[in-house]
Amino acid sequence: EIVMTQSPATLSVSPGERATLSCRASQSVSSSLAWYQQKPGQAPRVLIYGASTRATGIPARFSGSGSGTEFTLTISSLQSEDLAVYYCQQYNNWPPYTFGQGTKLEIK
Amino acid sequence: EVQLLESGGGLVQPGGSLRLSCAASGFTFSSYAMSWVRQAPGKGLEWVSGISGSGGSTYYADSVKGRFTISRDNSKNTLYLEMNSLRAEDTAVYYCAKRSARIELVPAAIDYWGQGTLVTVSS
Repeated sequence: EIVMTQSPATLSVSPGERATLSCRASQSVSSSLAWYQQKPGQAPRVLIYGASTRATGIPARFSGSGSGTEFTLTISSLQSEDLAVYYCQQYNNWPPYTFGQGTKLEIK
Repeated sequence: EVQLLESGGGLVQPGGSLRLSCAASGFTFSSYAMSWVRQAPGKGLEWVSGISGSGGSTYYADSVKGRFTISRDNSKNTLYLEMNSLRAEDTAVYYCAKRSARIELVPAAIDYWGQGTLVTVSS
């Protein structure tokens, strides 16, 4: 089973600043990597799939990069509504889907 | 508009059983593989089980293998999760999730999630 490791566990960023979240896979997942945002009390929603493709309706301030084992989610200019936990997920070898443990994004 | 509506959660004693349902609409249900993903209180996401569009192939996490059974009724656009021999560690919100691609051999992310149903296993 592929293990996904996210860092940092918690990230505190000021509004308007850049946030960079990392995700590492224990073996190559090619570009089969998705990022999900989960706001408090809500279900997750997909932000990025294919490592770098924004899902429908996702603002351009969200971008993804990477391939193989190293991936990054960048929020270029943080907004207050971006307060959430962010999960990466590999789907190259399904089943199972495997998720990272999440990065909690706090607004300073 | 794609909608996934879970139901069937509740409080159950250890060793008990529960059946979750997920009513799907807004897409051709039989064309897409589906999954159940759970989230224990204050914890991260854990994939639990998946099923092909036809229902002919099913998959399970090791943590639930032999205790949970996934199934679907394509005539009713409904996904199910039968949970037996429940344990305290099965306490979680259970989400129904749709795979984004029709072709099941192609790697694909989850594109839609339901709102979840809470299962609490406690005496």
